[in-house]
Amino acid sequence: QSVLTQPPSASGTPGQRVTISCSGSSSNIGSNYVYWYQQLPGTAPKLLIYRNNQRPSGVPDRFSGSKSGTSASLAISGLRSEDEADYYCAAWDDSLSGCVVFGGGTKLTVL
Amino acid sequence: QLQLQESGPGLVKPSETLSLTCTVSGGSISSSSYYWGWIRQPPGKGLEWIGSIYYSGSTYYNPSLKSRVTISVDTSKNQFSLKLSSVTAADTAVYYCTVTTTPGWFDPWGQGTLVTVSS
Repeated sequence: QSVLTQPPSASGTPGQRVTISCSGSSSNIGSNYVYWYQQLPGTAPKLLIYRNNQRPSGVPDRFSGSKSGTSASLAISGLRSEDEADYYCAAWDDSLSGCVVFGGGTKLTVL
Repeated sequence: QLQLQESGPGLVKPSETLSLTCTVSGGSISSSSYYWGWIRQPPGKGLEWIGSIYYSGSTYYNPSLKSRVTISVDTSKNQFSLKLSSVTAADTAVYYCTVTTTPGWFDPWGQGTLVTVSS
């Protein structure tokens, strides 16, 4: 059971806009930055969004992040086949002596 | 451009200690800008943060693993290491080393190494 809650799956057709949610609490998302990672099949995760809504250089602007209260979302517009991957949210949690917590991951399928 | 590479045994027996090393290239492990961390992923499952270390030796561990984890730095070799004691099959996972600047921010990552706990 992950501390951050994500839907296990999401899907969309090429060109569509999809969103992936990440729900937490006041001790993690509610008081700290949210990060998003993309994990393509058989590869290491890659930082996709940092500090809630910032994109590292090289990440297309089709990817965007937002946060409101104790929830966050990752939006992917203009969906492409190469976006098919697992997506994870992460945040620092101030409880339990402090710990980085991850969501359980969302598998995105491009139909 | 920082690059990280994990190394260590791919098979560990139950109750023994898992030991992995991460070699850093493209930058100094003594940099005051970075923390160095370990994250694992059981087969077919999600990510779990294990802990992080600053070059000075300050460490931060996942409370659920704290009693069994030791992360250390060897500045002379530009490496940092992970030791996980008393392993069980539940510790079978791909172990990644990574760089962190603020909690939750991990970039880049090593390619990962699969460690299987089995007799």
